[in-house]
Amino acid sequence: GIQVEQSPPDLILQEGANSTLRCNFSDSVNNLQWFHQNPWGQLINLFYIPSGTKQNGRLSATTVATERYSLLYISSSQTTDSGVYFCAGVNYGQNFVFGPGTRLSVLP
Amino acid sequence: DGGITQSPKYLFRKEGQNVTLSCEQNLNHDAMYWYRQDPGQGLRLIYYSQIVNDFQKGDIAEGYSVSREKKESFPLTVTSAQKNPTAFYLCASSSRVDTQYFGPGTRLTVL
Repeated sequence: GIQVEQSPPDLILQEGANSTLRCNFSDSVNNLQWFHQNPWGQLINLFYIPSGTKQNGRLSATTVATERYSLLYISSSQTTDSGVYFCAGVNYGQNFVFGPGTRLSVLP
Repeated sequence: DGGITQSPKYLFRKEGQNVTLSCEQNLNHDAMYWYRQDPGQGLRLIYYSQIVNDFQKGDIAEGYSVSREKKESFPLTVTSAQKNPTAFYLCASSSRVDTQYFGPGTRLTVL
């Protein structure tokens, strides 16, 4: 199955700063999602983005399928953005594979 | 309200006991999944079901069992054969190979 890497593993920001999180895949995927896990453990869908660019408020994501990576941008970060960000990918006939996550801490 | 519910939120088990975690969805999704998350780690797939009365093992199925008798329900039993069951368990559903939606999770602790 595919392997998923995420970088950086940990990130500490001051409130208001911008950041970029990266997700690399060992093979092509036909479905890619970004999730935010809040401090209570709930996984929240951020983007379904197998290719192209999407934006939702202060967050945006870009997937370059031909080069097997995706980026999550967080602008003007807030303390509520803290938590763990996961990407997950799947290929036809297989199941979702999750990356190890990026732990983000936004300081006031 | 459409969504996925899991119960209980917290569960304590004694050594040697089987316990069953509940997962219900009213999203009319065909596929349902169980994941395990250990502290500071990512999610690992335990079992999944693409259709009623059918399910397949994931990457770490040993010591777990499931059933899928109804489209809305996918309970997970953690058996005494699972050597290290203390973890956070997450249930998800999706419409085929599409966006996954997650429940709030169950934290299982073995005493």
